[in-house]
Amino acid sequence: GDSVTQMEGPVTLSEEAFLTINCTYTATGYPSLFWYVQYPGEGLQLLLKATKADDKGSNKGFEATYRKETTSFHLEKGSVQVSDSAVYFCALSNAGNNRKLIWGLGTSLAVNP
Amino acid sequence: NAGVTQTPKFQVLKTGQSMTLQCAQDMNHNSMYWYRQDPGMGLRLIYYSASEGTTDKGEVPNGYNVSRLNKREFSLRLESAAPSQTSVYFCASSEGQGIYRADNEQFFGPGTRLTVL
Repeated sequence: GDSVTQMEGPVTLSEEAFLTINCTYTATGYPSLFWYVQYPGEGLQLLLKATKADDKGSNKGFEATYRKETTSFHLEKGSVQVSDSAVYFCALSNAGNNRKLIWGLGTSLAVNP
Repeated sequence: NAGVTQTPKFQVLKTGQSMTLQCAQDMNHNSMYWYRQDPGMGLRLIYYSASEGTTDKGEVPNGYNVSRLNKREFSLRLESAAPSQTSVYFCASSEGQGIYRADNEQFFGPGTRLTVL
């Protein structure tokens, strides 16, 4: 079945450092891919998404490119801030799964001043 | 718009007690979901409702029941709470327009933190 694998955390960075959180997936067909973010004590919110191969999703300085050839959707940000400290979840949606979201386990990011 | 709202925010139960978690959305979404979130296990789907009048089991339905009361509301019931059900519960909703939609963005509520002693 479909699945999502994220790099394990926690990830700890200094402010202004470059961030990469790896996400790879296994799916049949052409899924849509998502990154969600969960700030401390809150629910999840959509950060960015891509619905077809080579699409780049972007928001709040974060970017991720849908790479079908490597089945990846890595999250990147050029310069992280303390306010980016959160848990990041990669997910996919596929017609074969009745469009339910398939989730990665989440990657915790802590940014130190 | 309030988005997705959940009540209560916090709850402590004793083993064997029952309770209902309430969820409502005001975005006219067709689909609604209940998840639990546990450390190291990410999000796990308990039940979902693809449209008003239908409900289906997710990955971890045992010990839970749901009711899609109307298009807005989707409740989760624990009939006899167990310590293993200590978790954070999230409700979510999405448009769910059918197989021709390219995406299925879900909108989440703030969560209910449940402790079962």
